[in-house]
Amino acid sequence: GEDVEQSLFLSVREGDSSVINCTYTDSSSTYLYWYKQEPGAGLQLLTYIFSNMDMKQDQRLTVLLNKKDKHLSLRIADTQTGDSAIYFCAESRGSNDYKLSFGAGTTVTVRA
Amino acid sequence: DTAVSQTPKYLVTQMGNDKSIKCEQNLGHDTMYWYKQDSKKFLKIMFSYNNKELIINETVPNRFSPKSPDKAHLNLHINSLELGDSAVYFCASSQASSWGNTIYFGEGSWLTVV
Repeated sequence: GEDVEQSLFLSVREGDSSVINCTYTDSSSTYLYWYKQEPGAGLQLLTYIFSNMDMKQDQRLTVLLNKKDKHLSLRIADTQTGDSAIYFCAESRGSNDYKLSFGAGTTVTVRA
Repeated sequence: DTAVSQTPKYLVTQMGNDKSIKCEQNLGHDTMYWYKQDSKKFLKIMFSYNNKELIINETVPNRFSPKSPDKAHLNLHINSLELGDSAVYFCASSQASSWGNTIYFGEGSWLTVV
């Protein structure tokens, strides 16, 4: 989408770390999300972060938020073949904002 | 077990036909959505209902008509299907809370118009 931008492709070797980047334009974005879509499947909510946080860690996933630069990243440690998917960044302005704005998705390919 | 379920998963139909996609959620959420994902994987919201009331209606042709018989169901009916309607349609639901308005998606319905 216009409000959320992501690079389209990322290739990473199995076992390395992947970093997927996202930038957003709306400074009133309050909640930021990462969704994963495997081939032929729906969107799975991976993790989310609130704008008053800088970092959130959940097992192999680390989300970093730079609110000043409006930059969000998702780091996947020890990337596995099962991590090959499209990763979508999304933002909303608050609990009463029903319009989630999605980025175009980053296709992550994990090579052996 | 499935939180947001939609049927059918695959649908191939001819131009000009009318078809429906059904969606149900068992999460107890107040809000349901239809999103469209095009061939470039871009996701765009089409409609949203909150407690059976339409709250979001994006620029969608009026051949698309959502119907919410109760807050656990949101169906999408499409009249006079066109080739450009071929896409994946995702149903979703959410519940606003102090933790935000996290949206949960169904598995998608792959519509191909021939």
